[in-house]
Amino acid sequence: AQKITQTQPGMFVQEKEAVTLDCTYDTSDQSYGLFWYKQPSSGEMIFLIYQGSYDEQNATEGRYSLNFQKARKSANLVISASQLGDSAMYFCAMRGINTNAGKSTFGDGTTLTVKP
Amino acid sequence: NAGVTQTPKFQVLKTGQSMTLQCAQDMNHEYMSWYRQDPGMGLRLIHYSVGAGITDQGEVPNGYNVSRSTTEDFPLRLLSAAPSQTSVYFCASNVGASGREETQYFGPGTRLLVL
Repeated sequence: AQKITQTQPGMFVQEKEAVTLDCTYDTSDQSYGLFWYKQPSSGEMIFLIYQGSYDEQNATEGRYSLNFQKARKSANLVISASQLGDSAMYFCAMRGINTNAGKSTFGDGTTLTVKP
Repeated sequence: NAGVTQTPKFQVLKTGQSMTLQCAQDMNHEYMSWYRQDPGMGLRLIHYSVGAGITDQGEVPNGYNVSRSTTEDFPLRLLSAAPSQTSVYFCASNVGASGREETQYFGPGTRLLVL
């Protein structure tokens, strides 16, 4: 079984500052993928970043980076230079690879509010 | 390329009624999934499919049926609606395989209210 834990129900950050959203996970799979999604108030799910369990380097996508610490089973999202449009709910998710590629497990999310 | 589409966007049902939530994708993805999102919570997997004719249960399958007769379509059927099924339902698809191709693409969601 897989489990995702996001311990920060809500976070505040000043515009233009960096913020880290925490995510820890538990799985018995040897190979897996970790994802972060953004859900604005409009409700759609927007893919942000992906990290494979065997990737040696931390993933980066523009202002988003993933701080992957495999031994600690953590996959924290770092948003640099926060913008007002970053205010949203953020979900960490994981999925096994190949035979489990259709089954995602999500955390309960972190609500990020960017202050002007 | 429409991506993942869902209909209807919003639906109100009475307890005991049945209905089908439609989901379609035009990306030729093998994997499709249904999730529900309750207020203030993350998404929970209801059912998923790894290809036409193949489906399996997720974390919360009770009260729902699925079928996958084509690659494009993956409808979710509520057999006898209950107030506990009031939620937002998301359909998603992905290529499968491994790596970044696993990224799931989500539909816009269907808001369901069961009275």
